[in-house]
Amino acid sequence: SQQGEEDPQALSIQEGENATMNCSYKTSINNLQWYRQNSGRGLVHLILIRSNEREKHSGRLRVTLDTSKKSSSLLITASRAADTASYFCATDPGGTSYGKLTFGQGTILTVHP
Amino acid sequence: DADVTQTPRNRITKTGKRIMLECSQTKGHDRMYWYRQDPGLGLRLIYYSFDVKDINKGEISDGYSVSRQAQAKFSLSLESAIPNQTALYFCATSDLWERGSGRNEQFFGPGTRLTVL
Repeated sequence: SQQGEEDPQALSIQEGENATMNCSYKTSINNLQWYRQNSGRGLVHLILIRSNEREKHSGRLRVTLDTSKKSSSLLITASRAADTASYFCATDPGGTSYGKLTFGQGTILTVHP
Repeated sequence: DADVTQTPRNRITKTGKRIMLECSQTKGHDRMYWYRQDPGLGLRLIYYSFDVKDINKGEISDGYSVSRQAQAKFSLSLESAIPNQTALYFCATSDLWERGSGRNEQFFGPGTRLTVL
């Protein structure tokens, strides 16, 4: 079964609007990460949030984590056309598997100029 | 120069052929990973290696094998390629940070697009 599942699968917005993507997972985690992928290219790390953190910011990115609900959200504020990409959450179980990530299916974000 | 490189970038082959995909990194990381990406399925882990002498199967290792020739090199082989192995393959690396540091991000190569006819 998929550890990280993202919602929505696709999101289309206008430039300047905010984009929110959600990720749910099933088992306990050490940390959760978000990655971005431009079409057909390698993934690029955006932000990491640890299991004892509730919110984290990086530039226009805001990530929240609710371990009781096993869910996370990624908010991109004031989106730009250049933010058009696929976004993936990845969970790290920690323990003996620390660093072994499980990726979700991704959210395809399209930002229209 | 890119920190994580993959060769070839594109490959078309026929069913039954042996294929090797290569990954090299200049980041000095101990950990390396191979993933495949299929449309709508995200990335799935094939094999991973936490150091040169440590190789582990991932979620979908059947039909694949790997070799960690050195800290900087990690190769993926398809012994007898089949059409459902057509996919985009990514190599990634990460460093061995202390577990509480929260700095275990992975760095990805540009990918190899493999088509098996």
